[in-house]
Amino acid sequence: DTGVSQNPRHKITKRGQNVTFRCDPISEHNRLYWYRQTLGQGPEFLTYFQNEAQLEKSRLLSDRFSAERPKGSFSTLEIQRTEQGDSAMYLCASSREFYGYTFGSGTRLTVV
Amino acid sequence: GESVGLHLPTLSVQEGDNSIINCAYSNSASDYFIWYKQESGKGPQFIIDIRSNMDKRQGQRVTVLLNKTVKHLSLQIAATQPGDSAVYFCAGLQGGSEKLVFGKGTKLTVNP
Repeated sequence: DTGVSQNPRHKITKRGQNVTFRCDPISEHNRLYWYRQTLGQGPEFLTYFQNEAQLEKSRLLSDRFSAERPKGSFSTLEIQRTEQGDSAMYLCASSREFYGYTFGSGTRLTVV
Repeated sequence: GESVGLHLPTLSVQEGDNSIINCAYSNSASDYFIWYKQESGKGPQFIIDIRSNMDKRQGQRVTVLLNKTVKHLSLQIAATQPGDSAVYFCAGLQGGSEKLVFGKGTKLTVNP
């Protein structure tokens, strides 16, 4: 097991385009989290899954954002009609129980 | 709600010295805290955690102290090494949620 895997590592997109990121958690972890991190700031919570159920969503997750975890394994985060303010590092984390989050290396999104 | 913050944005120490990074939190109902290390271009790396029923926890070269009376925790790194140079975040569990709330981070620089 190589930890939490995120793809792509970097994404540059034009404003208005849709983008999708993927997260593969540690295999035995049933909890999966998405966070967003802007330069110089700590990560901010976006949403959380327990197995395939999305149990909590932040107010940061506008209607342009959608996350899925269809089979309780990998997860995708889609941003529709991207805006320059969406430029950030998108981090995924997983855990077996709550304690001991493990983060991936993130996907850096740049909207031009 | 919870807010977590760090006292100093930057800390510079000499190699071999001990480092202390401080963090304050606002929600007295917070019952779990984690310290993370983040190197440039990477996701946060778990260092050590502590639950509110503990005052102190030790790991390899690291110690976390929790003072619930003044809502303060600290991370002590013994014999700081150049490889410890990174941004350090404290994160707290918001009561009733699995959302970690992060502070802005302290950048630790270790001088040879």
